[in-house]
Amino acid sequence: NAGVTQTPKFRVLKTGQSMTLLCAQDMNHEYMYWYRQDPGMGLRLIHYSVGEGTTAKGEVPDGYNVSRLKKQNFLLGLESAAPSQTSVYFCASSYTSLGTDRRSPTDEQYFGPGTRLTVT
Amino acid sequence: GENVEQHPSTLSVQEGDSAVIKCTYSDSASNYFPWYKQELGKRPQLIIDIRSNVGEKKDQRIAVTLNKTAKHFSLHITETQPEDSAVYFCAASLRGSTLGRLYFGRGTQLTVWP
Repeated sequence: NAGVTQTPKFRVLKTGQSMTLLCAQDMNHEYMYWYRQDPGMGLRLIHYSVGEGTTAKGEVPDGYNVSRLKKQNFLLGLESAAPSQTSVYFCASSYTSLGTDRRSPTDEQYFGPGTRLTVT
Repeated sequence: GENVEQHPSTLSVQEGDSAVIKCTYSDSASNYFPWYKQELGKRPQLIIDIRSNVGEKKDQRIAVTLNKTAKHFSLHITETQPEDSAVYFCAASLRGSTLGRLYFGRGTQLTVWP
């Protein structure tokens, strides 16, 4: 299993450009999350999804959109990039329902390797 | 929503000494408290977690304690080693909630000097 993977690893954008970050997981997890990490700010939740076809806003959703068309993929879009979106972006996934052995959605989150985005 | 505060933001210790990182949370309904370790340039990884029905949990050199009344929990690392140097994040959540959200603290940069 590859776990959680992210594409691309690095990207430089100019202000106003758009891009999509791809997160993929092969653990059959129901829940997927997008975080941004900035120095001294910890991990802040942008958007998350509790299942295929569903998305919800986190604490810093402005300027981002997401889609979860397939269970294994969670896409994060920037329609018009701004310098304030310069950050490291992490995707995470959690929660596999295994019949009677149901784990909680808030159990271990597995993180991807991150995408370093610079907006100039 | 939940608010998690973490202290200190930086911590330097000599190899072999102990390190303690403290977190407080605001929502008394929170019942799950994981700790993540993030090495430089790497992804965060779960190192230990505790649920609200226990007061302490140990795993070799690391332990976590929880005081539900005071709404705070702490990470204790004993006999620190240089490879313990990393950023540590605490988090809180309501386990079993359909929202599945973790609320993270801002992190503690731990440096262990040889």
